[in-house]
Amino acid sequence: LAKTTQPISMDSYEGQEVNITCSHNNIATNDYITWYQQFPSQGPRFIIQGYKTKVTNEVASLFIPADRKSSTLSLPRVSLSDTAVYYCLVGAQASGGSYIPTFGRGTSLIVHP
Amino acid sequence: EPEVTQTPSHQVTQMGQEVILRCVPISNHLYFYWYRQILGQKVEFLVSFYNNEISEKSEIFDDQFSVERPDGSNFTLKIRSTKLEDSAMYFCASSEAGQLLRYEQYFGPGTRLTVT
Repeated sequence: LAKTTQPISMDSYEGQEVNITCSHNNIATNDYITWYQQFPSQGPRFIIQGYKTKVTNEVASLFIPADRKSSTLSLPRVSLSDTAVYYCLVGAQASGGSYIPTFGRGTSLIVHP
Repeated sequence: EPEVTQTPSHQVTQMGQEVILRCVPISNHLYFYWYRQILGQKVEFLVSFYNNEISEKSEIFDDQFSVERPDGSNFTLKIRSTKLEDSAMYFCASSEAGQLLRYEQYFGPGTRLTVT
């Protein structure tokens, strides 16, 4: 069963760049890496997805090294509203043979004024 | 922007009772999912559903759970005989296409289920 590891928490200040790394040593060959953001009492919200190298969209960048055993979510110039829990998501084969999405425990990012 | 909706927002039930949680996925989406999140813990996958049948399920999704798409818009999760440990936030999600992790999933706001 694939497992992801992320820092439990991070602190930053407004305007800074934040990088959150997730390790996924057992990622499957055809698996994608997806990052979600979750605010309290809300459902997760898609941020970005990638397979290899670098992906960038209007809110974040995702860096994936050649071995794909980790990924780094980069949030440029964070604001107070970026305070949330960030999850990396990869697939994992469950004991019954099903291939299911597996959220990590998440990184609680707190942005200070 | 289209969104996934869920009802009710909060459901309180007694142990042993049946509950049905309802979701309206985004209209042109074809794949539907249920997740749960116990307070303070991570989001856990329960089941995915496509073309009127279950495509994947986790070990959590045992015989007391069932899913249904009773009409063209609703997607439901039924828990037959609730247990205290079923207390959690239940999220519905949908996506345009499948291959479970290849496409962006849109999550609803969740239903908080409290079993007493």
